[in-house]
Amino acid sequence: KAGVTQTPRYLIKTRGQQVTLSCSPISGHRSVSWYQQTPGQGLQFLFEYFSETQRNKGNFPGRFSGRQFSNSRSEMNVSTLELGDSALYLCASSFAGGSNTGELFFGEGSRLTVL
Amino acid sequence: GQQVMQIPQYQHVQEGEDFTTYCNSSTTLSNIQWYKQRPGGHPVFLIQLVKSGEVKKQKRLTFQFGEAKKNSSLHITATQTTDVGTYFCAGPGGGGSNYKLTFGKGTLLTVNP
Repeated sequence: KAGVTQTPRYLIKTRGQQVTLSCSPISGHRSVSWYQQTPGQGLQFLFEYFSETQRNKGNFPGRFSGRQFSNSRSEMNVSTLELGDSALYLCASSFAGGSNTGELFFGEGSRLTVL
Repeated sequence: GQQVMQIPQYQHVQEGEDFTTYCNSSTTLSNIQWYKQRPGGHPVFLIQLVKSGEVKKQKRLTFQFGEAKKNSSLHITATQTTDVGTYFCAGPGGGGSNYKLTFGKGTLLTVNP
């Protein structure tokens, strides 16, 4: 079956702009998590959605937001971009029917560069 | 909040040497997961450990979960160039919720052929 698909794969923005990233999970997976990966900080949790509900949010400013649609596809948005937002944004899906996350299946990521 | 720490941050070995990375959590974990990320790639799930003291093997890889369920290790016997990558451990929880995985910063393994 198809894996997790993230679009776009690469993008360049300038400070102050906003960006929307998209993630299509594996068919049947209802949980989608987003992570920011940078060389210095590793994988930082952004948020997790399950059946269109945000169940958990990481320690990121309000400029970072997300949502999940009824078909489990998810988007995340970053407004008023800053240079420090340059990173690889990874989406991961899981079945997560219970209270634990279960195995995460990651997409290839969206690499954002802010100039 | 919950912290997951990994050491070492980097490890360079000669092909054929063994490699071990260690993971420590500030809280007791219900389970621990391990992922591998090849250079330029995305994290790929390796294994999940659930029981106290559990040991699991995958070919040359041996995973252990501590008795107190606060630490774990990954040992690779006789490394190969295909083992190159960053190895992450991750535990659920943090922020009062199990609906997230907290990752360690990873150990980057390089192998000299």
